[in-house]
Amino acid sequence: GQNIDQPTEMTATEGAIVQINCTYQTSGFNGLFWYQQHAGEAPTFLSYNVLDGLEEKGRFSSFLSRSKGYSYLLLKELQMKDSASYLCAVRDSNYQLIWGAGTKLIIKP
Amino acid sequence: TAGITQAPTSQILAAGRSMTLRCTQDMRHNAMYWYRQDLGLGLRLIHYSNTAGTTGKGEVPDGYSVSRANTDDFPLTLASAVPSQTSVYFCASSASGGASDTQYFGPGTRLTVL
Repeated sequence: GQNIDQPTEMTATEGAIVQINCTYQTSGFNGLFWYQQHAGEAPTFLSYNVLDGLEEKGRFSSFLSRSKGYSYLLLKELQMKDSASYLCAVRDSNYQLIWGAGTKLIIKP
Repeated sequence: TAGITQAPTSQILAAGRSMTLRCTQDMRHNAMYWYRQDLGLGLRLIHYSNTAGTTGKGEVPDGYSVSRANTDDFPLTLASAVPSQTSVYFCASSASGGASDTQYFGPGTRLTVL
């Protein structure tokens, strides 16, 4: 079966750095996405990785290792507005997105 | 630009009744999707459409039907609602459905079936 694993919940301090991990087992791999979802709102796109390595976009970076079936999202200089759920999704061999359950990130002052 | 709109925002429905959730996008995207999101689970694909006139089944299609008569609209119909269909429903669209294609989501419809 296909599976995406993420921690259910994480807590971090304002101004700090947090790393959210995602491991996956899917039938085929055509890229990995990270989305942010604030409570009661729609998911919004953060990043896309298809090759191994780190993609940096402002305070957010995303890393991929295809051989390990592993990705992480790194958030720097945390702000209170970063409190949200972060969703990892893998595009499989049928070009459909398989979604993890999401990691709820709580930022404390 | 409105992006993707969904209606209604929320609805309480009696079991056995039918209902259509509406979704409209103004980005001229070819591909559209319907997901449901339940607590503790990832988004699950119900149905999708890669282009107007075609539809396909996702991971959890039973009890739902869709149509894609034109590029902009992708309604989801529950023929006879059951309590297990209580969920938040998101419509999404993407330009082409290709590997790097980003999906853009509507604001969601919160449905409660009693």
